[in-house]
Amino acid sequence: EAGVAQSPRYKIIEKRQSVAFWCNPISGHATLYWYQQILGQGPKLLIQFQNNGVVDDSQLPKDRFSAERLKGVDSTLKIQPAKLEDSAVYLCASSPNAGGAGAFFGQGTRLTVV
Amino acid sequence: RKEVEQDPGPFNVPEGATVAFNCTYSNSASQSFFWYRQDCRKEPKLLMSVYSSGNEDGRFTAQLNRASQYISLLIRDSKLSDSATYLCVVRGLNTGGFKTIFGAGTRLFVKA
Repeated sequence: EAGVAQSPRYKIIEKRQSVAFWCNPISGHATLYWYQQILGQGPKLLIQFQNNGVVDDSQLPKDRFSAERLKGVDSTLKIQPAKLEDSAVYLCASSPNAGGAGAFFGQGTRLTVV
Repeated sequence: RKEVEQDPGPFNVPEGATVAFNCTYSNSASQSFFWYRQDCRKEPKLLMSVYSSGNEDGRFTAQLNRASQYISLLIRDSKLSDSATYLCVVRGLNTGGFKTIFGAGTRLFVKA
């Protein structure tokens, strides 16, 4: 079974530039998550989708971050404009449903803002 | 108080040792609990779910104490390959749906 696919793996941008990340979840998984993991910390949930609807985006900095999941499959996360403190690994995960199943993660996108 | 808190690390243990991690959570309505393992510069991987009656998978035992709102992970006969960060994950229902919270992780170093 194919896992969660993310691209790009690495990205370096200057502050105030824009960047977008892409995620393709495991086939059939209704729930998709975007996490931000800063070095030395646990992953922080940015947004959770159930199919193509948003379940939780309470920790998403909406002035600069946006995410969408068209057709309930692939998802993109955008940052515009980027700040130095956005340097982190952005992890996408999916699970069959939002309840008791564990989530499976992609390899992440390592973003460096300079 | 953080929603999910873990033992501060790092834990440095010799091969063959038994080591235990605890994790406390604040939301009494939490419903699902997991332990993840994360190797350096890798993504988190599901280690095991935690069930109310406790569960075991080889050398790993997970337990849940709802009354005291904590979960634990016990690793017996530690191997060098167990060196990693162990993340506690708690999922509970909030107004918008299920919310998943990760702890900050506990680092384990197993030495020869």
